[in-house]
Amino acid sequence: EVVLTQSPGTLSLSPGERATLSCGASQSVKSRHLAWYQQKPGQAPRLLIYETSNRATGIPDRFSGSGSGTDFTLTISRLEPEDFAVYYCQQYGSTPLTFGGGTKVEIK
Amino acid sequence: EVQLLESGGGLVQPGGSLRLSCAASGFTFSTYAMSWVRQAPGKGLEWVSAISGSGGKTYYADSVKGRFTFSRDNSKNTLYLQMNNLRAEDTAIYYCAKERESSGYFDFWGQGTLVTVSS
Repeated sequence: EVVLTQSPGTLSLSPGERATLSCGASQSVKSRHLAWYQQKPGQAPRLLIYETSNRATGIPDRFSGSGSGTDFTLTISRLEPEDFAVYYCQQYGSTPLTFGGGTKVEIK
Repeated sequence: EVQLLESGGGLVQPGGSLRLSCAASGFTFSTYAMSWVRQAPGKGLEWVSAISGSGGKTYYADSVKGRFTFSRDNSKNTLYLQMNNLRAEDTAIYYCAKERESSGYFDFWGQGTLVTVSS
C-alpha cells in the first residue's frame, strides 16, 4: 500500500500569500497518478488537480501541481478568501487507492 | 449536470447491517467506474470500494473486505453498498464518487450519507 504523508498539517497564511503544500509517498507513484482535492466544512471534496499537474475543469490557474516519484507539491500562488480549506492528495497508481491525511490552510 | 445522491445512512448497532444507495444522473452511468469513499468524523478520506462500469469487477479496502459488498444496477443508474457486521470504526460519512474515465481519481462526489455504528 502506498502511504501518503502530507505536510504541514496546518498552514497559517494571509490572503494574497503563496501556499505550498507537500505530499510524500512511501514508494514511487506510478505514472505520476496523483490528484489533489479541496474540502470545505460540511462539503464533499472537490477535484483540483489530476495526473500531478493537470487542473480540473473550472479550477483557477492560481492552483498548480508538480512533482514526480515520491514527492509532490500543490501550490496556490495567491490565496483568495475561498481557498481556506483542507487539501488532500490521492494516489491512483496502484490499489488500494490511498489519500494523504490532509493539510488545513487557515487564515492567519 | 452530474448528480450523485446517497441515501440509507443511519444509526445501527455493532454487528448490524445497512445498505447504502447512490442514485446517479447527468452522465452515461454504465460507462464509468464508481467508488465509495468514507470520512470518519473529523478525520481524513479513506477509499472503501470500487466497481467497474459493467459491475463485473469490484475492489475493496482490506478494512471492509468480506463484510461489504458493492454492486450496481445500470438499468436504474444506482449503486449499492451492502454493509454487514458493522463495527464502531465504520462510523463515517460515506460518499459515492464518479471516476473520471475509469482512472482511479474522482471528478464528481455526492454529498454523503452518515453511518453511525453505536450501541
